[in-house]
Amino acid sequence: DIQMTQSPSSLSASVGARVTITCRASQDISNYLNWYQHKPGKAPKLLIYAASSLQIGVPSRFSGSGSGTDFTLTISSLQPEDFATYYCQQSYSAPRMYTFGQGTKLEIK
Amino acid sequence: QVQLVESGGGVVQPGRSLRLSCAASGFNFRTYGMHWIRQAPGKGLEWVAVIWFDGTNKYYADSVKGRFTISRDNYKNTLYLQMNSVRAEDTAVYYCARKLAVRGNNWFDPWGQGTLVTVSS
Repeated sequence: DIQMTQSPSSLSASVGARVTITCRASQDISNYLNWYQHKPGKAPKLLIYAASSLQIGVPSRFSGSGSGTDFTLTISSLQPEDFATYYCQQSYSAPRMYTFGQGTKLEIK
Repeated sequence: QVQLVESGGGVVQPGRSLRLSCAASGFNFRTYGMHWIRQAPGKGLEWVAVIWFDGTNKYYADSVKGRFTISRDNYKNTLYLQMNSVRAEDTAVYYCARKLAVRGNNWFDPWGQGTLVTVSS
């Protein structure tokens, strides 16, 4: 099974800061990697698909990069509404398995 | 707008059954595959099951295989998850999500707000 490991598990940052979250796959998954934002009590929201494609309606301060086993989600200038938990998700093993990273909780400093 | 609304959650005793529903609107439901995904308290997201647009193919996480059944009614625009022989570790918020895919990459968008299932005696 493909394992997804995010780092850090939690992160404290200030409004306006640049933040990078890393996701590592246990094997090559090409660009079959997606990123989600999740706030408590809300539906998770797709941010990035296919490693670097910005979902329609998502602010351009969000960007994704990477291929193979190493991927990053970058927020260029944190806004108050960005404080949430972020998950990566692989679909290389679809349709039999879809795996999420353990999540990165982004908190206000 | 595209909307998914889950229902059917509640408290259920270990070993009993529960059926979740997900009502879809704002898109052509019968042309999309659909997923169930869950989040246990204090834990991350875990994919549960997927069903093809026409119901012909279904896949399950090992943790629920043989106990849960995903199904759909394309006339009612509704997705279901039949949960049998539930266990304490099935306690979670259950989300439905639309299946999207391009060139082999699959993702979930949008998601519903979720319905809470608590397995407890």
